[in-house]
This record gives sequence, structure tokens and C-alpha cells, in this order.
Amino acid sequence: EPEVTQTPSHQVTQMGQEVILRCVPISNHLYFYWYRQILGQKVEFLVSFYNNEISEKSEIFDDQFSVERPDGSNFTLKIRSTKLEDSAMYFCASERYPGGGNEQFFGPGTRLTVL
Amino acid sequence: AQTVTQSQPEMSVQEAETVTLSCTYDTSESDYYLFWYKQPPSRQMILVIRQEAYKQQNATENRFSVNFQKAAKSFSLKISDSQLGDAAMYFCAYRRGGTSYDKVIFGPGTSLSVIP
Repeated sequence: EPEVTQTPSHQVTQMGQEVILRCVPISNHLYFYWYRQILGQKVEFLVSFYNNEISEKSEIFDDQFSVERPDGSNFTLKIRSTKLEDSAMYFCASERYPGGGNEQFFGPGTRLTVL
Repeated sequence: AQTVTQSQPEMSVQEAETVTLSCTYDTSESDYYLFWYKQPPSRQMILVIRQEAYKQQNATENRFSVNFQKAAKSFSLKISDSQLGDAAMYFCAYRRGGTSYDKVIFGPGTSLSVIP
């Protein structure tokens, strides 16, 4: 069964460094999302992406964050200058069709630790 | 703004017993969907069950069923014949309906332990 994959599973970085989190959505999916989950807290929406454009972003998604679909298969989240509070689990999700009842398929997540 | 609340941070159930996880939500929309996601220790988010707001009939998926009370804005999950593999974090979630694509709004989660 097709699934969303994410790499790396765990990334450790120093504060101020740039990180790129990678996601490979399910191949025929067209809508992509990033969420994050700070340890012990709820899953929060970061950004949605369709047709090579950001569709919606939350207040968390400030100028330090960017997303890209560089090659038609990968979907990346870049954090330009990481802060301690960026430490969290980052989930990528994708879906093929728009519509509230459709299932967003989630990847296994990347645990980001900022030291 | 839409919000999702889960008042039980932790729950436990004996194996083979039944447990109910609570969820309430707030929205002014009439067209929306509600979901329960399971997040096991592996951290992968798995859809357990979904409910369309327009449908009065409660959704069921094998041992999982919901009690959807639209007027009360309540959406509880019942797990029957609990198994060790049901131990996980369970998130109640909301998504606006219609044909547009929209984010999922998650509740804070309930950690379920299954006691052998």
C-alpha cells in the first residue's frame, strides 16, 4: 500500500543552523501539508501547498520557514535558522482530492532536536 | 475559530473491555467532518474513523464506533474488546467540509493504556 515517507527520522542540529526536512508524498497526491507536534502537545498545522504554491499558513510559519516541491516527488520544509523552540516532531501529509471528508495520509514524522 | 477539546489526558482499559474517549468541538460551520486518529509509539498517525456532520448515523469500523451528538458538539470514540495493540495516543480532529482542501485541527489527545 502506498505511504508517505519522511527523512530523516531524527535530526539533531545546533541553534541557528538551517535544516531541511524531506517528505515523499504518495505519488498521485496533489495536496501537501506540514504539521508539527511539540512533545506532549497537540499536533498543529503549519502550511498547506498545492500547485507549487502555499495555500494557507499558520502564524507559526514565519519567515524562517519555507516549503518547496523541488522535483515533482519530494516535498521539503526548510527552517532557515533553528531556534530551541523548533524542537518538535514534524509530520508531512498528503491527499489526492480536495474535500473535508478525504483522508490526509500522514508520514511517520521527523523528530527535530535543536541544541 | 474551530477548536477541539479532549478532557481526558490519560485513560486505561483492561484487555477485552470497552472504553470510551471523549471529545467536544466548537464550530459555526454546518458542513464539517470529525475524525479519530491513532498515534502509536511508532508516531505514525493512522485514521481510525471519520464522521460526516450531515449524517445522523454514527460511524462504525469493526471494534471502533462513535457517538456523534451534533447539537451538543460531542464526538466520543468507543473501543470494544480492547486489545494490547490499541494502546496509543488518540486524537480527535475536525476538518471543514466542502470541496476545498483545508487543514485538520487536532485536539490535545488522550493517551490510552491497555492493561493485560
